[in-house]
Amino acid sequence: DAGVTQSPTHLIKTRGQQVTLRCSPKSGHDTVSWYQQALGQGPQFIFQYYEEEERQRGNFPDRFSGHQFPNYSSELNVNALLLGDSALYLCASRQAGSGNQPQHFGDGTRLSIL
Amino acid sequence: GENVEQHPSTLSVQEGDSAVIKCTYSDSASNYFPWYKQELGKRPQLIIDIRSNVGEKKDQRIAVTLNKTAKHFSLHITETQPEDSAVYFCAASKAGGGADGLTFGKGTHLIIQP
Repeated sequence: DAGVTQSPTHLIKTRGQQVTLRCSPKSGHDTVSWYQQALGQGPQFIFQYYEEEERQRGNFPDRFSGHQFPNYSSELNVNALLLGDSALYLCASRQAGSGNQPQHFGDGTRLSIL
Repeated sequence: GENVEQHPSTLSVQEGDSAVIKCTYSDSASNYFPWYKQELGKRPQLIIDIRSNVGEKKDQRIAVTLNKTAKHFSLHITETQPEDSAVYFCAASKAGGGADGLTFGKGTHLIIQP
């Protein structure tokens, strides 16, 4: 049973460029969340997708956008990259349902901005 | 929005002793409180969680307590072992409607001294 998978594992970009990160949720999960984890910090919530719609958004600018596909996989897009966007980007998935279901994380994509 | 404070930032204990990590939250509507363990270069892994209708939960050497009135919750690890060394994050969220993005604390670096 595959867990949450993310690609690529590492990425190097320059300021001003655009990037797309990908996430496949754990089998049986249909809700996907994205988090940004700066070095030495806790993960910060970017947004959450369910039924191909953005259901909740954290305090991130609209340079950060996403998408969820019918197979529940998801993409995170970041435009006009800044040096401060350098971080580990984590995807987490969970089953939908009443109450809170535990979120399970992928290994992340390490994004470096030069 | 929700704010989660976590203390201490670093905790060093002798192997075999107990470790306690404390968190406070600001939003009284939060009702789900997971704890994640993150080893260097790895994904956050859920180790235990608690919902607001429960005051305490135990799983072998790990326990979590929740005080809704005071808006704080704590992680207790007994009989610590070298493999418990990692960064621990507390988090909080609200149930319902697919809108349960996690707000994390800044983490506690737990060091188990041999």
